[in-house]
Amino acid sequence: KNQVEQSPQSLIILEGKNCTLQCNYTVSPFSNLRWYKQDTGRGPVSLTIMTFSENTKSNGRYTATLDADTKQSSLHITASQLSDSASYICVVSNNDMRFGAGTRLTVKP
Amino acid sequence: DAGVIQSPRHEVTEMGQEVTLRCKPISGHNSLFWYRQTMMRGLELLIYFNNNVPIDDSGMPEDRFSAKMPNASFSTLKIQPSEPRDSAVYFCASSPSTAYSNQPQHFGDGTRLSIL
Repeated sequence: KNQVEQSPQSLIILEGKNCTLQCNYTVSPFSNLRWYKQDTGRGPVSLTIMTFSENTKSNGRYTATLDADTKQSSLHITASQLSDSASYICVVSNNDMRFGAGTRLTVKP
Repeated sequence: DAGVIQSPRHEVTEMGQEVTLRCKPISGHNSLFWYRQTMMRGLELLIYFNNNVPIDDSGMPEDRFSAKMPNASFSTLKIQPSEPRDSAVYFCASSPSTAYSNQPQHFGDGTRLSIL
């Protein structure tokens, strides 16, 4: 069983709407949890990095939250834009890296 | 800032051939990573170098895969002999710190490898 589970697998929303992506993990303890955005045909780009002790981290319209008690993280995207269409990958690091399978987000006009 | 540069962007070759993928990390970064991404398995870390020294190669699938980092500005990932199941996108990334630190990793745009 993968130690990092992301949901939903895919999501379609209308431009301007908000959305929330989920990442549940069993890795414990961990040094940090990262969210990446990956455009089609490109490499992943780092959005946020949170340590075990942080609850929230923002990067523009992207806000990541972390609940270490429930072992859940979420990535909230505000006022979505067409350029937000991409895959979003959650990665949990301790002495190795555990990758989620990603959520494929499509933003439609 | 040129970013991480990978070459070639695309490679198509026949089974059994040797394949060499190349990576130039961001200047000043002391950690370099090779990843593989497929639809079935997602993103996987193959090997991680720090200060040109391989630190963790536990993700290298088998002896057909080898990676080198002869200097701070260049790394190669070699597959010999290649097999169809090696078809994937291979990413190189670099970071100004160690693998599991709180510094971001910067990815190249990958090499799309197809083994026929």
